[in-house]
Amino acid sequence: DAGVIQSPRHEVTEMGQEVTLRCKPISGHDYLFWYRQTMMRGLELLIYFNNNVPIDDSGMPEDRFSAKMPNASFSTLKIQPSEPRDSAVYFCASSFGTSGVYETDTQYFGPGTRLTVL
Amino acid sequence: GNSVTQMEGPVTLSEEAFLTINCTYTATGYPSLFWYVQYPGEGLQLLLKATKADDKGSNKGFEATYRKETTSFHLEKGSVQVSDSAVYFCALPAGGTSYGKLTFGQGTILTVHP
Repeated sequence: DAGVIQSPRHEVTEMGQEVTLRCKPISGHDYLFWYRQTMMRGLELLIYFNNNVPIDDSGMPEDRFSAKMPNASFSTLKIQPSEPRDSAVYFCASSFGTSGVYETDTQYFGPGTRLTVL
Repeated sequence: GNSVTQMEGPVTLSEEAFLTINCTYTATGYPSLFWYVQYPGEGLQLLLKATKADDKGSNKGFEATYRKETTSFHLEKGSVQVSDSAVYFCALPAGGTSYGKLTFGQGTILTVHP
């Protein structure tokens, strides 16, 4: 398998512009996660989906951020309008979920999108 | 929910030195425990995991034993290499109703010098 695919790998934009990050999870995985990583705040979970349905978006910073998963093989994270403080590396990850609280399968991470907002 | 505490870094070692990175957890029940590694410029990848008490996970010379009596999952390697320089994350399921979600430690930066 090709693994989790993210695009673009690098994005440089100006403040106020719309940014769309894309993710293709591993085929057959039913969970998809969006994370943000910065030096100051570390790794943060923004939102995650199960079977294309958003389960928890409590990590989304504010209304400027939105995420969708229109089908099992594609998800987007959109920032509109973008601000310099959104500069970070954004990771998408997917996993094959199992039932029950105690069993969680391995999450597979994509290579990330490095976003710079000027 | 469950939580994890990871030793603060950064950790700097010489090649062939012994490595320990401490990880302790608080959890309901006995969830699986994970160590992830992030090499420079890459995403996180699973290094090893253990699914029940007294299990030992191992990979690439790294080991960690699931200790329920001390609620710990310390990462060890007998002889580190320059190529082991990376950030290491301890993780476990978030617990509660957060099915599928992992809780990560803050990460420990390891630098190995020749």
